[in-house]
Amino acid sequence: NAGVTQTPKFRVLKTGQSMTLLCAQDMNHEYMYWYRQDPGMGLRLIHYSVGEGTTAKGEVPDGYNVSRLKKQNFLLGLESAAPSQTSVYFCASSYSGQGGQPQHFGDGTRLSIL
Amino acid sequence: AQSVTQLDSQVPVFEEAPVELRCNYSSSVSVYLFWYVQYPNQGLQLLLKYLSGSTLVKGINGFEAEFNKSQTSFHLRKPSVHISDTAEYFCAVSDLGNTPLVFGKGTRLSVIA
Repeated sequence: NAGVTQTPKFRVLKTGQSMTLLCAQDMNHEYMYWYRQDPGMGLRLIHYSVGEGTTAKGEVPDGYNVSRLKKQNFLLGLESAAPSQTSVYFCASSYSGQGGQPQHFGDGTRLSIL
Repeated sequence: AQSVTQLDSQVPVFEEAPVELRCNYSSSVSVYLFWYVQYPNQGLQLLLKYLSGSTLVKGINGFEAEFNKSQTSFHLRKPSVHISDTAEYFCAVSDLGNTPLVFGKGTRLSVIA
């Protein structure tokens, strides 16, 4: 079982460049999430989606955009990358958003912006 | 809004010794509580969860956690740790609605041989 798959696993960008991170899940989950992980900061929610065609802002949404055109995919875009966006990005999914539903995580994308 | 405090950022412990990783959450209303583990260069894996019922919850790899509503705590324990338990551990909370999980900042457990 693939679970949650993130593409790419590593990427180096120059300031001002754009890129899209792809998250795919094969568990038919309704909810999907994008987090960033920085040393000493834990996981911070960037954006999330409660179903196909929906998106919502999390704790740190500035500088990012997302799209959920298909239920199994959740894309995270950086339009103009900045060094402050150097981080490890994690995608997660859950069957629903009801409290008590665990989230399933991908292995992360390590992004460096020079 | 919920918040989670993990009181220790790093916990070193000798192999086969007991360990407790502390977690406190902000709200006294009904909540669901989780512990996740992150091994190096991997994503987070669910260790255990508290939804209702018995306040002592058993998880994978010999870990357990105790829910204490009056102290708004959900501390994680293991009676005897192994080298392979070296990882970062995250406590998370959600309320009864459809709001996303809120994570603590993590505790790095280092098991020393």
